[in-house]
Amino acid sequence: AQSVTQLDSHVSVSEGTPVLLRCNYSSSYSPSLFWYVQHPNKGLQLLLKYTSAATLVKGINGFEAEFKKSETSFHLTKPSAHMSDAAEYFCVVILTGGFKTIFGAGTRLFVKA
Amino acid sequence: GAVVSQHPSRVICKSGTSVKIECRSLDFQATTMFWYRQFPKQSLMLMATSNEGSKATYEQGVEKDKFLINHASLTLSTLTVTSAHPEDSSFYICSASRSASSGERETQYFGPGTRLLVL
Repeated sequence: AQSVTQLDSHVSVSEGTPVLLRCNYSSSYSPSLFWYVQHPNKGLQLLLKYTSAATLVKGINGFEAEFKKSETSFHLTKPSAHMSDAAEYFCVVILTGGFKTIFGAGTRLFVKA
Repeated sequence: GAVVSQHPSRVICKSGTSVKIECRSLDFQATTMFWYRQFPKQSLMLMATSNEGSKATYEQGVEKDKFLINHASLTLSTLTVTSAHPEDSSFYICSASRSASSGERETQYFGPGTRLLVL
């Protein structure tokens, strides 16, 4: 069975400190992996994606994620949090060819001044 | 590029009326569009997938007669909530995927969402 697990429902960091949002997946197929960010009452914005090229993926706003097949993980990181990063983050798996889309439950990131 | 719009952004209606939500890909052709529903503080729930010119594929538990989806062109899909009731109040989000020829078939680009409140 395919699934996506975001290991933390809430993460709180201080401004200027690193951010780590964890995502593990389970898939029998080669998936495409995505991170999206959602600000309150807004749609989802694509941060970055992995589609079988480089395992370290750089996205917008200083975010990056590393695909580790051996650990079935795709954790999202940022070296230095900014207040504007406070939002909900979704890890998403799309199974190749079938458009089966699986959303993680989301991680709420809080950034303290 | 890859901008998706939704209209309206917010709608309030009376119970029993129908509401139409439009989803448009503004700068690309979308062979596939998706409709999601999001409850407060929860993740997105896929309702249906629609391909241009064909009938939508609904997820299990989603009433196709309640949530009518039309994908009339490569840039427009509509979701009509028929005979809306208060329990249909929710945040509805669409997404669109580019055509295969562009080489980015799988990435979904999301609209800003539509907040529906049924009184």
